[in-house]
Amino acid sequence: GAVVSQHPSWVICKSGTSVKIECRSLDFQATTMFWYRQFPKQSLMLMATSNEGSKATYEQGVEKDKFLINHASLTLSTLTVTSAHPEDSSFYICSAQTTATTDTQYFGPGTRLTVL
Amino acid sequence: AQTVTQSQPEMSVQEAETVTLSCTYDTSESDYYLFWYKQPPSRQMILVIRQEAYKQQNATENRFSVNFQKAAKSFSLKISDSQLGDAAMYFCAYRRTPGSARQLTFGSGTQLTVLP
Repeated sequence: GAVVSQHPSWVICKSGTSVKIECRSLDFQATTMFWYRQFPKQSLMLMATSNEGSKATYEQGVEKDKFLINHASLTLSTLTVTSAHPEDSSFYICSAQTTATTDTQYFGPGTRLTVL
Repeated sequence: AQTVTQSQPEMSVQEAETVTLSCTYDTSESDYYLFWYKQPPSRQMILVIRQEAYKQQNATENRFSVNFQKAAKSFSLKISDSQLGDAAMYFCAYRRTPGSARQLTFGSGTQLTVLP
C-alpha cells in the first residue's frame, strides 16, 4: 500500500519550453502533497506544499510563477516548470500524505529534468 | 526553526557487521515525529523507521533500530547484520505536530557503503 507514482521519470527539454510533472497517489487519497528538489549528492529541499482544492504554499525563494502547482484531486498533483532554463535542471520528487494517518509521507520515484 | 544535523557525510561498514548513523535535531516542540529515510541509487526515497517523540520505547524494524534520546535531541540509526542492499544515502528527518499536514525537515544525509 501507499504507492506514489511520478510521470515522467525523466525528461529532456529545450530552454524556454514548459514541462509538466505528474504525481499520483495510487492506492490512497492524499489531501496534501509536497514537492521537493534535489541536487546531486545533496538533501531534499522543499519547494511547496500542495493541498487539494486550494492554492499551493511556496517556500521562501521559490518562484510561484515559474513552478506552477495544481492539486485538483485527492490523487493527483502536478508541477509545471514554465519557461525552463538550464539552471532548472534537477531531480524533482513529490510526496503524499494520507488522509487516514497524517504522520508519514510516501515518496514518488522522482523525475529527472534536463534543460538544454 | 527546526534543524536536523547529520555530522557523518560518509560511513562504511563490512557486510554482516553493525553500523550506527548519527542524527541530532533542534526543536522547541514537545511532540513530533522523527524518521529515517533511505535513498538508494535509484533515488526512490524509502521509509526505514519512524519514532513518535512521546514514546519512550525505541522503534525497531527488523535489522533497523533507533536510539532516541529526547533530552539530548539525538536520534541515531543502528543497522545490524549489514547487507549489500543497505548501501544508500540515509536521511534523518523531523516533522512537528503529528495529526496535521506538516512538511519534513531533512538532514544533509549520510552515504553508507557496505563492503563485501
